[in-house]
Amino acid sequence: AQSVTQLGSHVSVSEGALVLLRCNYSSSVPPYLFWYVQYPNQGLQLLLKYTSAATLVKGINGFEAEFKKSETSFHLTKPSAHMSDAAEYFCAVSERTGNQFYFGTGTSLTVIP
Amino acid sequence: DVKVTQSSRYLVKRTGEKVFLECVQDMDHENMFWYRQDPGLGLRLIYFSYDVKMKEKGDIPEGYSVSREKKERFSLILESASTNQTSMYLCASSTNRQGWTGELFFGEGSRLTVL
Repeated sequence: AQSVTQLGSHVSVSEGALVLLRCNYSSSVPPYLFWYVQYPNQGLQLLLKYTSAATLVKGINGFEAEFKKSETSFHLTKPSAHMSDAAEYFCAVSERTGNQFYFGTGTSLTVIP
Repeated sequence: DVKVTQSSRYLVKRTGEKVFLECVQDMDHENMFWYRQDPGLGLRLIYFSYDVKMKEKGDIPEGYSVSREKKERFSLILESASTNQTSMYLCASSTNRQGWTGELFFGEGSRLTVL
């Protein structure tokens, strides 16, 4: 089975600062990779996904992530944090051959004014 | 747009009650999932279904059952609710169709409190 590790369960950044949320996965075969965002008391919304096209993936709200096979990483970044970015972020992996999904434990992002 | 609708956003039940959580998707997806979300534990898979009347246990099926009588509907059942089942429950769907890129589509969640 796959595993997904999100380093840092809580991350705080100042408004306007760089956002970096880390995600590493365990797989010898590149899977599909996803970042989801969850606002308070809501479901998960897809931010972006990697499906073997470009390694740098752009998503909604100015977020992007880079797939690095050698590091088995898929870190999420945003150049300038906005107050509305405060939310829980989940990294997820799915295998290409089935319908199994594996989630990280989430990173709560706080944006300080 | 895919829409996954969970029937109840907030429920309060008493210990021992039978609880039904309903989920409907409108995109003819083959796969449907029930997750439980707790702080610090992320999302844990309870059950999933890849076809009508088919179900597979996930990581934490104990105390839960599911029903999928129609393709668009996937129900989670707590036969006898207990306080340790107080949680956020998330339904999701996905498709295996050509062009599938694997993402899950989530409902808004159902926050269950068992007293």
